Amino acid sequence: DTGVSQDPRHKITKRGQNVTFRCDPISEHNRLYWYRQTLGQGPEFLTYFQNEAQLEKSRLLSDRFSAERPKGSFSTLEIQRTEQGDSAMYLCASRGTGDSYNEQFFGPGTRLTVL
Amino acid sequence: AQTVTQSQPEMSVQEAETVTLSCTYDTSESDYYLFWYKQPPSRQMILVIRQEAYKQQNATENRFSVNFQKAAKSFSLKISDSQLGDAAMYFCAYRPKLVFGQGTRLTINP
Repeated sequence: DTGVSQDPRHKITKRGQNVTFRCDPISEHNRLYWYRQTLGQGPEFLTYFQNEAQLEKSRLLSDRFSAERPKGSFSTLEIQRTEQGDSAMYLCASRGTGDSYNEQFFGPGTRLTVL
Repeated sequence: AQTVTQSQPEMSVQEAETVTLSCTYDTSESDYYLFWYKQPPSRQMILVIRQEAYKQQNATENRFSVNFQKAAKSFSLKISDSQLGDAAMYFCAYRPKLVFGQGTRLTINP
């Protein structure tokens, strides 16, 4: 399967712990996006990368959050000192090319539960 | 700031019938794109249909079509001949920066 993949699919952690999520985009896509989706809501933009450069960060991305894409391929999203309010689905998407230039392809998401 | 509003939290339709999901948006941009995404339960989000704002013709993809009213900033999705597999959350979204609406949960009654 050559779609966007995310790991892990589910993560349960205790408040105060650090967690890291990984996203592998479609291989030829140079743009990668992170979103957060809480229950019953639409996804909210967090940040995006063009190749290895992080070009924009939302105000939702507090200083406890950090994202990297060191080689312009996979990306990681780390949350430090997790809080219960961080419980959400974290979605990754990569941007298509050619006829699909404006389409973002989404991964299955990582569901985070903070106890 | 751009906003996207879906005023119907839930909709239901009988199988084989037609349903229309509403979406309005607010922007001062003249060049943008609009999308409808489908998110089935526990499955990933997929693109249903997209519309370029500069195109007057409404987009169509098989049973899915849109009614794009640029002046009214309205972008509704019509699903014809509804099928059980159409049951999902549907999100309207706006670009350049992808902003999503709150979603509409669509139920298909057999």
